[in-house]
Amino acid sequence: EIVMTQSPGTLSLSPGERATLSCRASRSLSNNYLAWFQQKPGQAPRLLIYDASTRATDVPDRVSGSGSGTDFTLTISRLEPEDFAVYYCQQYGTAPKTFGQGTKVEVK
Amino acid sequence: EVQLVESGGGLVQPGGSLRLSCAASGFTFSGSWMSWVRQAPGKGLEWVANIKQDGSDKYYLGSVEGRFTVSRDNAKDSLDLQMNSLRADDTAVYYCVRDQGWLHVNWGQGALVTVSS
Repeated sequence: EIVMTQSPGTLSLSPGERATLSCRASRSLSNNYLAWFQQKPGQAPRLLIYDASTRATDVPDRVSGSGSGTDFTLTISRLEPEDFAVYYCQQYGTAPKTFGQGTKVEVK
Repeated sequence: EVQLVESGGGLVQPGGSLRLSCAASGFTFSGSWMSWVRQAPGKGLEWVANIKQDGSDKYYLGSVEGRFTVSRDNAKDSLDLQMNSLRADDTAVYYCVRDQGWLHVNWGQGALVTVSS
């Protein structure tokens, strides 16, 4: 199975700052089938990015994804209050589909 | 609007069985792969199983293979997860998910399954 490793575990930032989240796969992802999800407490996850860099519907353009092969990045250019949450990456090209352990973006 | 509503969660003893159901609406159910994804309390997300549009292909997480069975009824727009030989580490919120290909696009609100004596 492909192991997904996210870093850092927690990111402490202030509103307006830039957030950079990393996700590394244990082997190269076919077709860059890498997604990012946002989860807020008590809520279901929400799809943000797919195919490594394509924004899902209604996702603001301050959120962007990049990377290929084994190394991927989620960037939030200027944090808004609603962006403080947990973020998960997932590879969905190979069974079993596997998630990273998550990065919590918290208010500093 | 896509809606996925899970039901059937609850408390079950170790070794017991439980069946989760998901009622889907707002999209062409028979045209979508569907998945179950779970989240243990305070932990991350874990994909459990998925099923092809016509039910002909199914995939499972290794730790549930042989104990869990995913099925669907396209006439009723419903997805099920039969869970047998439940263990304490199966305790989690189970989400019903609509896929586009293998991408998780829409999520239900989840059903809590607690395995405890």
